[in-house]
Amino acid sequence: EDKVVQSPLSLVVHEGDTVTLNCSYEVTNFRSLLWYKQEKKAPTFLFMLTSSGIEKKSGRLSSILDKKELFSILNITATQTGDSAIYLCAVGGFGNEKLTFGTGTRLTIIP
Amino acid sequence: NAGVTQTPKFRVLKTGQSMTLLCAQDMNHEYMYWYRQDPGMGLRLIHYSVGEGTTAKGEVPDGYNVSRLKKQNFLLGLESAAPSQTSVYFCASSTRDRGTGELFFGEGSRLTVL
Repeated sequence: EDKVVQSPLSLVVHEGDTVTLNCSYEVTNFRSLLWYKQEKKAPTFLFMLTSSGIEKKSGRLSSILDKKELFSILNITATQTGDSAIYLCAVGGFGNEKLTFGTGTRLTIIP
Repeated sequence: NAGVTQTPKFRVLKTGQSMTLLCAQDMNHEYMYWYRQDPGMGLRLIHYSVGEGTTAKGEVPDGYNVSRLKKQNFLLGLESAAPSQTSVYFCASSTRDRGTGELFFGEGSRLTVL
């Protein structure tokens, strides 16, 4: 059974700080790892990673995957109050049409 | 762009009542999913479908049934609602090429069972 563990479960930082969110996983025939941001409603897609060691970047957010050690990190630099959200990590495997999600990290940014 | 639309957005049921949640997508996606989200539990897969006329169980299927009679619609049914089914339900879809790639989510349906 595929498994995703995210840490920390919650995090409170001040605006301007840099945060690192962690995601470790176990999946049969790894295909992809995805990060989503969830504010009040539906999760919105951030990144999909399939190759080890290649950083994906979008503005102040970046993510990298380590397929040997089976984990990924999501970095957010110069945090803003709009970054407050639940960040979800999910993994999928070849031959498996579904994603398995972690429990998420609740990030709160204090002005 | 409608994307993925869920109806209803809110519903209150009494224990034992039945209801159906409707998910509709206009992106011609082959894959559709129903998840439930509870505090501290993340998103858990209830049922999913890889094409019209197909359905499969996820990790928490008990107490739910689904149907995919049309490619664009995926229905989630509760035959006899229980308080443990109080949750926020999300529908999602994706293309076959990215079966484990990006999911497009609806805005959620909040269900309360009294």
